[in-house]
Amino acid sequence: GESVGLHLPTLSVQEGDNSIINCAYSNSASDYFIWYKQESGKGPQFIIDIRSNMDKRQGQRVTVLLNKTVKHLSLQIAATQPGDSAVYFCAEAQEGAQKLVFGQGTRLTINP
Amino acid sequence: DTAVSQTPKYLVTQMGNDKSIKCEQNLGHDTMYWYKQDSKKFLKIMFSYNNKELIINETVPNRFSPKSPDKAHLNLHINSLELGDSAVYFCASSQGRGREQYFGPGTRLTVT
Repeated sequence: GESVGLHLPTLSVQEGDNSIINCAYSNSASDYFIWYKQESGKGPQFIIDIRSNMDKRQGQRVTVLLNKTVKHLSLQIAATQPGDSAVYFCAEAQEGAQKLVFGQGTRLTINP
Repeated sequence: DTAVSQTPKYLVTQMGNDKSIKCEQNLGHDTMYWYKQDSKKFLKIMFSYNNKELIINETVPNRFSPKSPDKAHLNLHINSLELGDSAVYFCASSQGRGREQYFGPGTRLTVT
């Protein structure tokens, strides 16, 4: 069956350091992956996505890496700021699929 | 301008009551979704409509009935509310299916 999971449910980093949030997926047929950020009391907010024909994609201070061999996805946040504190979700979808399948979520806490 | 809006933001009601949550998107998207987020932050899709047609109906009690009067609106009606229905419900929309979705702010439902 489908499953998208995260290695760590919580992650605590120092302000200014880089953060890496990991995600494992089990469906080798998935061809689209997406990261969301959810701040307290708000809905998930799109961060970045990547298709399976790529292994890296960069955005503003964020980079998503995809390793299809080991079915692993990661989100790197450079120079972490207090505003980055949130729960981060990865999600996957298959070509032609109707839906995203979300992982458990990782809570990122920034220490001053 | 809010892209995906939901009303109400908070809903407190007693067991056995019937309640509705409304969702509207002004993004011109053709697909809308309802998700349930439990106390552990797990996001689970409930329903999806594409051009007013139901395309996803996950294993959800038939006490939950979505209604899409037009492409910009997707409402969720819940009959005979139970304690286990307490959660945060998110509406989302996308252009096309299973891809980048934009979420509303959520409706926190508390059943007492």
